[in-house]
Amino acid sequence: GENVEQHPSTLSVQEGDSAVIKCTYSDSASNYFPWYKQELGKGPQLIIDIRSNVGEKKDQRIAVTLNKTAKHFSLHITETQPEDSAVYFCAASFKGGSNYKLTFGKGTLLTVNP
Amino acid sequence: EADIYQTPRYLVIGTGKKITLECSQTMGHDKMYWYQQDPGMELHLIHYSYGVNSTEKGDLSSESTVSRIRTEHFPLTLESARPSHTSQYLCASSTNHWGGRFTDTQYFGPGTRLTVL
Repeated sequence: GENVEQHPSTLSVQEGDSAVIKCTYSDSASNYFPWYKQELGKGPQLIIDIRSNVGEKKDQRIAVTLNKTAKHFSLHITETQPEDSAVYFCAASFKGGSNYKLTFGKGTLLTVNP
Repeated sequence: EADIYQTPRYLVIGTGKKITLECSQTMGHDKMYWYQQDPGMELHLIHYSYGVNSTEKGDLSSESTVSRIRTEHFPLTLESARPSHTSQYLCASSTNHWGGRFTDTQYFGPGTRLTVL
């Protein structure tokens, strides 16, 4: 099956700095890569996703890059704000049988210090 | 905001009790999932369903059971709760086709925090 590695497990930055979270995946057939943000006491919420036919996608201060050859993808947050503090999960989707299965990384706790 | 709901949000119960965690979604999604989230953050898939009357065990072995009698409803049951069942339980749903295009996006509910004394 698919294996997704996520680094770092914790990340602390100063407000206004950039934050980068990296993930690698093992199954070259994976073609969908979402990122989720989980705030304290809430369920994970999708913040951005990318498909394998695209190398980069941006949404305001958030961007995701994908390197299919190296099988890794990254989340970039610029101009970080205290409200960006949360746990972030990457995931990769691969086809298992007739259905697609999402495999999650172990999460990164991001702390933005004011 | 996804239309997926979980009740109760918090539950404190004694050992040996039977409990059912409710999950409902109004998006018409055919696929639903239960995850167990430990204090270390990691999400563990414990059950999933690809449609009515279809249920499968996930990657992490669990003593809980699930049922899928209606598309919108995916309850999880523990016949005899134990302290080792203390955890956060997250429900999610997805569909492979939305508005005519393919998608794998999973939408999560707010979670149920279960404490077994």
